[in-house]
Order: sequence, then structure tokens, then C-alpha cells
Amino acid sequence: DGGITQSPKYLFRKEGQNVTLSCEQNLNHDAMYWYRQDPGQGLRLIYYSQIVNDFQKGDIAEGYSVSREKKESFPLTVTSAQKNPTAFYLCASSMDGNDYSGNTIYFGEGSWLTVV
Amino acid sequence: EDQVTQSPEALRLQEGESSSLNCSYTVSGLRGLFWYRQDPGKGPEFLFTLYSAGEEKEKERLKATLTKKESFLHITAPKPEDSATYLCAVQAGNNAGNMLTFGGGTRLMVKP
Repeated sequence: DGGITQSPKYLFRKEGQNVTLSCEQNLNHDAMYWYRQDPGQGLRLIYYSQIVNDFQKGDIAEGYSVSREKKESFPLTVTSAQKNPTAFYLCASSMDGNDYSGNTIYFGEGSWLTVV
Repeated sequence: EDQVTQSPEALRLQEGESSSLNCSYTVSGLRGLFWYRQDPGKGPEFLFTLYSAGEEKEKERLKATLTKKESFLHITAPKPEDSATYLCAVQAGNNAGNMLTFGGGTRLMVKP
């Protein structure tokens, strides 16, 4: 089945620890995104990538890092510099990162990160 | 700065009681307005894209409309399975990519 796969579904981080969330898509989409969702709030953009080996900061990039070495993969690392990382993280993709017609963004099932 | 405001924050309906959700937006050149449905603990599921004022789209009991300042999601004769959070988002014309700016969502609860 085509889609966006995020893993793990639940992740616990200790203070001072870096953790990495995986995102894989088999839709052959060029663009990929990471959003953060806090309870009762809308989604906020962390990072996005329009093409392999290129990515840009979103609205809340501080304390996060990404890589885009392969078209189908866009992992997100939550570093120890992110002071309030407990949230629901959503990976997404769209066909073309530059298509002006308003390309639809599709989402994965999300990963819950909790600081313990 | 692009802004999206959804109202109400929460809405309780009886099964069969039709209503509308509102999404007001300010954006530099609207490229597209999107509606998503999100179930608890799941990722948003795409519903509709609207591109220009006057456009309407329908899917089962849902109908989305668009004006120059707001969009409405009309729910006709809702069923309990329509209970979810509905998210509205805009793509702006000045974006280098397809990023979305989201509203806070409307949590819909339909009682049998």
C-alpha cells in the first residue's frame, strides 16, 4: 500500500538525550515536511524539504535537525536543546515542492514523544 | 503574516442536526485552502482543496465553500462517525514551497 510510515508510534526521551523519529514514504513525492502538534492546538511547521539533499527551517526549527539523503526518507532528530519536546509529531509529503497550483499535502499517522 | 482562525473550538450536535464550521483567514495571495479531518491520535486525513472564491466541493455529508475571507464546512444530517477534529489550512502565494498554515481546529462531537 502507498503511504507515509512514521516510527515509532510512541517514544520516551530522557533529559539531555537526542532522539530520532523516522519517516518513510513510497508515494514518489518530492517534498516532505515535519509538523508539531500540541494538545488542542494547530500544527506548526518544523522543517521542510523540497528536494533530496536540501531542506529549510520552518517556524519552530530551534532544537530540531533533519536530513534528506534519500527521496523517500526524512528523519527528524529532537535534540537536547529542544526544551519542551513533548508533543505529537507529524510527517507529511506532497508531489512537488514548487507547484504553484496548491499541491495537496498528505500526512502520516504521527509519533508521540514524551519526556520522562 | 498568514493567519487562520477556526470557530467554534468545539461543537456538540445531535445526530441529524446540521451545522457549519467556520474558517477565517488572512493570507498574502491564497494559493489554496485545505480541509482535513483528524481522529484522536491519528494523522490528518485530507478532505478538500478550494482554490478560488465561489468554489464549492462536496463529499458525502460534507460541503466546503470559500469566500475571499473565510471558508465554511457544512455538515448535513451528521452521524456519530463524523465526530472528529476538523482542521483548516491555507497555502500562501508567497511561499517558496507548499507549506500549510493551520488553524486551531474545531472538535465536533455528534451524539446518537
